[in-house]
Amino acid sequence: DAEITQSPRHKITETGRQVTLACHQTWNHNNMFWYRQDLGHGLRLIHYSYGVQDTNKGEVSDGYSVSRSNTEDLPLTLESAASSQTSVYFCASSAGTSVFNRGTGELFFGEGSRLTVL
Amino acid sequence: DQQVKQNSPSLSVQEGRISILNCDYTNSMFDYFLWYKKYPAEGPTFLISISSIKDKNEDGRFTVFLNKSAKHLSLHIVPSQPGDSAVYFCAASDGAGNMLTFGGGTRLMVKP
Repeated sequence: DAEITQSPRHKITETGRQVTLACHQTWNHNNMFWYRQDLGHGLRLIHYSYGVQDTNKGEVSDGYSVSRSNTEDLPLTLESAASSQTSVYFCASSAGTSVFNRGTGELFFGEGSRLTVL
Repeated sequence: DQQVKQNSPSLSVQEGRISILNCDYTNSMFDYFLWYKKYPAEGPTFLISISSIKDKNEDGRFTVFLNKSAKHLSLHIVPSQPGDSAVYFCAASDGAGNMLTFGGGTRLMVKP
């Protein structure tokens, strides 16, 4: 079965360290997204990609970067981790082109990566 | 400013009764709306959606109602079951891309 996997599932790091969260999907979806979930804020978009070599900033992109070198992977990097980046991070993917796909509409989410920055 | 709001952080309902989860939005360009369900330690999963050309969409026990003039949508679960206990997120898209704007979520607890 096709799936989307995130690693690590749990990570504790120190302020100032570089951290990379991995996301791998086997659906061959063009679109991939990174969200963070925080109490009271729901899910907020960090970065997204509509295809290989395409990356875009979302609502809360400061302090984060992504790269898309192939269809399957969209790693999220925290260049210098801060305590405000303690959160649960979700990767997601969806089918379609850069135009919103009304036929599917939904995103497929990974199980999340809980990051704690001390 | 949050464009999609779920003003009730939690809701408790008795098994067998109706659960009504509410969502308000401010962006008049939103034209497609979705509900996601999330269990602890899992990613959100798609539940049901509605396009702005409709005012109601049903899928089994789940019905979503859209009131465009009030910029309000609601999710009805009838009858509620203990397995429905989860966090429910409302999401909206303006159709310009494949991005969704999410609300803060409502935790539903269905008591046996």
